[in-house]
Amino acid sequence: QSALTQPASVSGSPGQSITISCTGTSTDVGDYDFVSWYQQHPDNAPKILIFEVNKRPSGVSYRFSGSKSGNTASLTISDLQPADEAVYYCCSYADTIPDVIFGGGTNLTVL
Amino acid sequence: EEQLVESGGGLAQPGGSLRLSCEGSGFTFSRFWMAWVRQVPGKGLERVANIKHDGSERYYMDSVKGRFTISRDNAKSSVSLQMNSLRVEDTAVYYCTRASRPIFGVVTQFDFWGQGTLVTVST
Repeated sequence: QSALTQPASVSGSPGQSITISCTGTSTDVGDYDFVSWYQQHPDNAPKILIFEVNKRPSGVSYRFSGSKSGNTASLTISDLQPADEAVYYCCSYADTIPDVIFGGGTNLTVL
Repeated sequence: EEQLVESGGGLAQPGGSLRLSCEGSGFTFSRFWMAWVRQVPGKGLERVANIKHDGSERYYMDSVKGRFTISRDNAKSSVSLQMNSLRVEDTAVYYCTRASRPIFGVVTQFDFWGQGTLVTVST
């Protein structure tokens, strides 16, 4: 099972909004709403931002939102802050293995 | 404050063994699925194994089946990963995670992560 496809890097300026895509197939992202997103700062553990496509855990800023269309899930970060600079990973259940699979990660730079 | 603290990583030779441990605090450990997720340095993430809250079900990624064993002791709020027949490709940072939303036993969500412990398999 291949990893989910994410852009290697995205960038934005403080105050702007950016969107990170996560493309899978009809046997993972397209067929299940078990998509989650994680933020990882250098030398830190990942932290969950979004679960079940568009739900935010308690304590996660409203600036982070998730969505899905077909085989592609998206994470949008609004009002970019310097502290948002990190690597972001998507994750989805995949029934062909079955297992969960992760994207390769997207490095967000806040200019 | 919720916390997961791993221990037991280090250097092992190919074919050798290591045992990772993780102690949870700040939450009711016995109510949650737990999982180990690994990250190859500079690369992506993989779910290694997960275990049901009562220890009655365990699920592994294909490449570690028969070599790794996940277990838990709810009385001690701990989960372990016994890794045998280690391979160079098992080299990674191993994270202990609190997990949820299982589908056919495979957890699909990793709610909270420890800081990780590095396992290096090399001659």
